[in-house]
Amino acid sequence: DAGVTQSPTHLIKTRGQQVTLRCSPKSGHDTVSWYQQALGQGPQFIFQYYEEEERQRGNFPDRFSGHQFPNYSSELNVNALLLGDSALYLCASLQGASGTQYFGPGTRLLVL
Amino acid sequence: ILNVEQSPQSLHVQEGDSTNFTCSFPSSNFYALHWYRWETAKSPEALFVMTLNGDEKKKGRISATLNTKEGYSYLYIKGSQPEDSATYLCAPYNTDKLIFGTGTRLQVFP
Repeated sequence: DAGVTQSPTHLIKTRGQQVTLRCSPKSGHDTVSWYQQALGQGPQFIFQYYEEEERQRGNFPDRFSGHQFPNYSSELNVNALLLGDSALYLCASLQGASGTQYFGPGTRLLVL
Repeated sequence: ILNVEQSPQSLHVQEGDSTNFTCSFPSSNFYALHWYRWETAKSPEALFVMTLNGDEKKKGRISATLNTKEGYSYLYIKGSQPEDSATYLCAPYNTDKLIFGTGTRLQVFP
């Protein structure tokens, strides 16, 4: 049983560009959450997707958007990248609304 | 906005020492408290999900307690081993999201 997978593992972009990160949830999970971990901080909640809709959103600007597909996989899109968007982006999946969230290994984004 | 605090920020212990960390969170609107272990270059791994005041959970040499009325949780590691070296994160669960603390970084020396 594959766990949560994310791609790519690393990414380098320049300011102003756009980026798309991908996540495949653990088998049987229908809910995906995205988190940003900046240096020296704990992961910060970006948003959660369930049934292809954004169910909950953290304190992130509209430059951060997402999508969930019918197979429950998800994408995180960030437009107009800023230097401060450099971080590790984690995806977590779970079944239903609550309970244990299973994390992927993350995508490390560097914005130059 | 929930403010989750973890202490200490980092800890260095010798193999065989027992240790404990603290997670403090606002006790209002509490639903559940999650603990994760995060080893370098790996995914965060769920340790415990705790919901009841006074709850105590155990997994091998690691255990945790929860006080929802005063808003804190303790994580204990008995007889630390080098493989316990990791960052330990706590996260209250509130309105469909985990609110993480900054973690306690544990280093266990042989």
